[in-house]
Amino acid sequence: GENVEQHPSTLSVQEGDSAVIKCTYSDSASNYFPWYKQELGKGPQLIIDIRSNVGEKKDQRIAVTLNKTAKHFSLHITETQPEDSAVYFCAAPRGGGTSYGKLTFGQGTILTVHP
Amino acid sequence: SAVISQKPSRDICQRGTSLTIQCQVDSQVTMMFWYRQQPGQSLTLIATANQGSEATYESGFVIDKFPISRPNLTFSTLTVSNMSPEDSSIYLCSVGLQGGEKLFFGSGTQLSVL
Repeated sequence: GENVEQHPSTLSVQEGDSAVIKCTYSDSASNYFPWYKQELGKGPQLIIDIRSNVGEKKDQRIAVTLNKTAKHFSLHITETQPEDSAVYFCAAPRGGGTSYGKLTFGQGTILTVHP
Repeated sequence: SAVISQKPSRDICQRGTSLTIQCQVDSQVTMMFWYRQQPGQSLTLIATANQGSEATYESGFVIDKFPISRPNLTFSTLTVSNMSPEDSSIYLCSVGLQGGEKLFFGSGTQLSVL
């Protein structure tokens, strides 16, 4: 099965700085990589995802990059704001290929943005 | 996406008892899943809730401990049976949309077992 490693486990930045979270995966057949944001007391929220046929995807202040050769993908948040403070999870398809809802999650990164 | 409602949102239970968690979706979905998030940990897939047939469990999870029902395409229940403190977790209902590729979560049920 897929194995996903996520770093760092905690990340503290000043408001306006950029934040980068990295994940590596083990199954070269995996072709879909989502990122989730979880606020306290809430379920994970899908914030951005990328398929293996592209190297980068952006959505306003959030971007995801994918390096298939190295089997890693990263979340980039620019111009961070206090409301970006949350736990972020990366994920990859549990059995490789397409997820069909079955994901293996990274260990999570606690992001704190200081005003 | 879809609106996914879970009940209860939280509960405190005594060891040895059982709790049934309900999940209601505002549209018909083919793929529905249950995940567990232990305190301060990541998410782990428990099972796929199959409509009209038995759920498909992942390694480490069994039907006797986590029976699941899926009577229709908008509703599912997860029961945590014969609870112990190790079952204290957040239990999350989720649905796969857009061909099943994108996974969306409910708000979760925070369970504490004393």
